[in-house]
Amino acid sequence: SYELKQPPSVSVSPGQTARITCSGDAFPDQFGYWYQQKSGQAPVLVIYKDTERPSGIPERFSGSSSGTTVTLTISGVQAEDEADYYCQSPDSNDSSWVFGGGTKLTVL
Amino acid sequence: EVQLVESGGGLVQPGGSLTLSCKASGFSFSDHYMNWVRQAPGKGLEWVGRTRNKAYGYTTTYAASVKGRFIISRDDSKKSLFLQINSLKTEDTAVYYCAREGSHDTSGYAFDVWGQGTVVTVSS
Repeated sequence: SYELKQPPSVSVSPGQTARITCSGDAFPDQFGYWYQQKSGQAPVLVIYKDTERPSGIPERFSGSSSGTTVTLTISGVQAEDEADYYCQSPDSNDSSWVFGGGTKLTVL
Repeated sequence: EVQLVESGGGLVQPGGSLTLSCKASGFSFSDHYMNWVRQAPGKGLEWVGRTRNKAYGYTTTYAASVKGRFIISRDDSKKSLFLQINSLKTEDTAVYYCAREGSHDTSGYAFDVWGQGTVVTVSS
């Protein structure tokens, strides 16, 4: 079955740049999506179609794609960005959705 | 306000059945594909399944892990989405979220609206 692979954890100090990668065989044919989930809350969409940012999401959140990997970048990380981040994509047949295992971002 | 509100969770014995509901407001529910996503305690997000809209025949697709036991349906007149879970197993214990699949123009089919979730606990 199709899988998306993310690092389990990433740690950065406030003001630094955090990069979270997500690899999957369906990339780049399929788009990647990113969700932020803070403790006890529902997920929130932060990036769609690899690089697009929904309204209301701070500009420090950006996305990129290269080959079979999509990347979420958070520039100038703030304490409020501490959360779990999940990538998502359709499988190659567009028949189902898949989430990556999630990456816990810790702001030191 | 665009909103999704789930209900119907609770404590259920293994082997039992349960139907979850998701009530939509603030948007044209009938236009959108709708999804269920679950999250077991301390674990990541798991896509459960989706129902397309009327234009695509209300067709449903499911994750392999739940196919045959879970049934997704919708009632556009009531702006509601449903998830029927049969033959419940302890591993079905999770928070169940409904999520709207956005349009191509606005969010590229991303899950752009989520409910707050409803908790299902399967235990004897």
